[in-house]
Amino acid sequence: DGGITQSPKYLFRKEGQNVTLSCEQNLNHDAMYWYRQDPGQGLRLIYYSQIVNDFQKGDIAEGYSVSREKKESFPLTVTSAQKNPTAFYLCASSKGTAYGYTFGSGTRLTVV
Amino acid sequence: GDSVTQMEGPVTLSEEAFLTINCTYTATGYPSLFWYVQYPGEGLQLLLKATKADDKGSNKGFEATYRKETTSFHLEKGSVQVSDSAVYFCALGNTDKLIFGTGTRLQVFP
Repeated sequence: DGGITQSPKYLFRKEGQNVTLSCEQNLNHDAMYWYRQDPGQGLRLIYYSQIVNDFQKGDIAEGYSVSREKKESFPLTVTSAQKNPTAFYLCASSKGTAYGYTFGSGTRLTVV
Repeated sequence: GDSVTQMEGPVTLSEEAFLTINCTYTATGYPSLFWYVQYPGEGLQLLLKATKADDKGSNKGFEATYRKETTSFHLEKGSVQVSDSAVYFCALGNTDKLIFGTGTRLQVFP
């Protein structure tokens, strides 16, 4: 079955360390997206990519970086420059916004 | 720019009650409209969608009609169950990314 996989489900890191969250899809979707969700809050767009080797900043890109070397993969790095990285991170993919997104199950990052 | 406004929660209902969650939008052109549901600790799942005016999306007893004249896409269900307790997001697709509302938490009690 096609889908989108985020790993790991839970991630713990010490303050000051960079950490990379994985997102892989086998839906053959061109577009991929990263969102951050804080407790009781909505979704905030971090980065998105419409095509391989190209990506755009979203509303809260500071302290994050991404790459899109393969169509299937869109990893997100949370750098030490991100002031408050503890959050739930959601990855999504799409074949076009008229069709909506398919979301992964999320990664909960806790920085201690 | 494009935007989505949905009613604030939480919405608290007894089992078998009628549900309405309001969603209105602002957009140029003819966007697609969506409702997503998020259960605790999980990602969002597409619940239903509509792509043009007067379309009705439906799934699992939930319905929403694309009303261009009132720029609305309200979510309804005739009889909610405890298992419907979740956060519901309205979204609009018009450009290269979806625009989401802030989410409405639904709590259904037996």
